[in-house]
Amino acid sequence: QKEVEQNSGPLSVPEGAIASLNCTYSDRGSQSFFWYRQYSGKSPELIMFIYSNGDKEDGRFTAQLNKASQYVSLLIRDSQPSDSATYLCAVSRNNAGNMLTFGGGTRLMVKP
Amino acid sequence: EAGVAQSPRYKIIEKRQSVAFWCNPISGHATLYWYQQILGQGPKLLIQFQNNGVVDDSQLPKDRFSAERLKGVDSTLKIQPAKLEDSAVYLCASSLGSGWSRETQYFGPGTRLLVL
Repeated sequence: QKEVEQNSGPLSVPEGAIASLNCTYSDRGSQSFFWYRQYSGKSPELIMFIYSNGDKEDGRFTAQLNKASQYVSLLIRDSQPSDSATYLCAVSRNNAGNMLTFGGGTRLMVKP
Repeated sequence: EAGVAQSPRYKIIEKRQSVAFWCNPISGHATLYWYQQILGQGPKLLIQFQNNGVVDDSQLPKDRFSAERLKGVDSTLKIQPAKLEDSAVYLCASSLGSGWSRETQYFGPGTRLLVL
């Protein structure tokens, strides 16, 4: 079993729709959770982090965390073609956010 | 503010050859990371430095990979000898590394290595 699992996709959504990206993790000791966006041929960039159960909103992005179910998700509202990228989920066993374990990523395609 | 710098951007070598990658983190960042990202996979942490000390190198294949950060700033990752399966993008990242705050890792552009 992989430590951090994501559906590789591609997840295809029409422009303006909500994109829902999911991630499960195996280590119950995980403390902090991150979503990175990676455009093709580029390096990852941080979108959001979440530490507590529940929802965290930042603009069009909402991260959701359920530690009991070992599940974290990212919702992208009003999806734009520029959101087309691979989204990487990463978890850490500490609150400092280092020593990240990444999932394989979900490729999102937003069609005009 | 300048980002994380890496060189070279691309490298093609034959198997059993040696190769070295260089990283210059964001100024003032104490923590430096090296990741390996194989095509279609997420980044895998190879080694983490706090200043010039190693925090974690549990996933570094030490029989062929080595890394150093002698003065707590720049870092070099070396592969000797290279294998076909080492073909990947090698990403360097840095963070403030204060240990007291929740930190963001900033990634460099990466070095694409192809081993033939």
